[in-house]
Amino acid sequence: GQQVMQIPQYQHVQEGEDFTTYCNSSTTLSNIQWYKQRPGGHPVFLIQLVKSGEVKKQKRLTFQFGEAKKNSSLHITATQTTDVGTYFCAGPGDYKLSFGAGTTVTVRA
Amino acid sequence: NAGVTQTPKFQVLKTGQSMTLQCAQDMNHNSMYWYRQDPGMGLRLIYYSASEGTTDKGEVPNGYNVSRLNKREFSLRLESAAPSQTSVYFCASSVGSLAKNIQYFGAGTRLSVL
Repeated sequence: GQQVMQIPQYQHVQEGEDFTTYCNSSTTLSNIQWYKQRPGGHPVFLIQLVKSGEVKKQKRLTFQFGEAKKNSSLHITATQTTDVGTYFCAGPGDYKLSFGAGTTVTVRA
Repeated sequence: NAGVTQTPKFQVLKTGQSMTLQCAQDMNHNSMYWYRQDPGMGLRLIYYSASEGTTDKGEVPNGYNVSRLNKREFSLRLESAAPSQTSVYFCASSVGSLAKNIQYFGAGTRLSVL
C-alpha cells in the first residue's frame, strides 16, 4: 500500500547550522502535509503542499514539493533549540493519511 | 478553545485488564481518528470514523474496538490488554475524512501494560 518514507530517522545538528529532511513516496501524491511533534507533545500541523514544484516558507523553514509530486523536503536554516522535535510528513494512503516514521531532530548548543 | 481532549493522560494496566480511552472534540469536525505511536514506527491508524455513525478499521485494528458516541466523542476500548499494546495513543479530528484535510491531535494517552 501507499507509504511515505522519511530520511534520515535522526538528525543531530549544531545550533546555527542548516539541515534538510526528506520524504519520498513510490506513487504520486495529490498533496503532502508536514507536522511537528515536540518532545512529550502531540503532532501539530505545519503546512500542506498541493502543487507540483510548490515551495512554501515559514520563517526559517522551507518546504518543497517535488515536480513529480513523489517527494518533499523540509529545510531548516540556522537551527535553533526551538527546532528540537520530530518532523513527520504525511500523504494520502490506504488508510486516509499515511504518516512517515519521522525525523527526530536534536540540537547541540 | 479546548480542541481535542483525551482522557486519561497516563494509565498503567495489568495484562488482561480492560479500559476505555476517551476523546472529545469541540471543533464540530465530522471525522475522528485513533492512532498509536511507537518508537521508530511513526503514527499508525487504529480506527477512524469518517462521520457520526460510521467506523472503519485502520492499519492496526486488532485488539481494539471503537465507538463513535456522537459527533463530538470517539472512544477506544481495549478489551483484554496485552504488553504489545504499550504505546502512546493519540486521538485526532478533521473537518472531513479526505486525506487533504488537516488533522488536529489531542495531547495523547501514555499507556503501559505490564
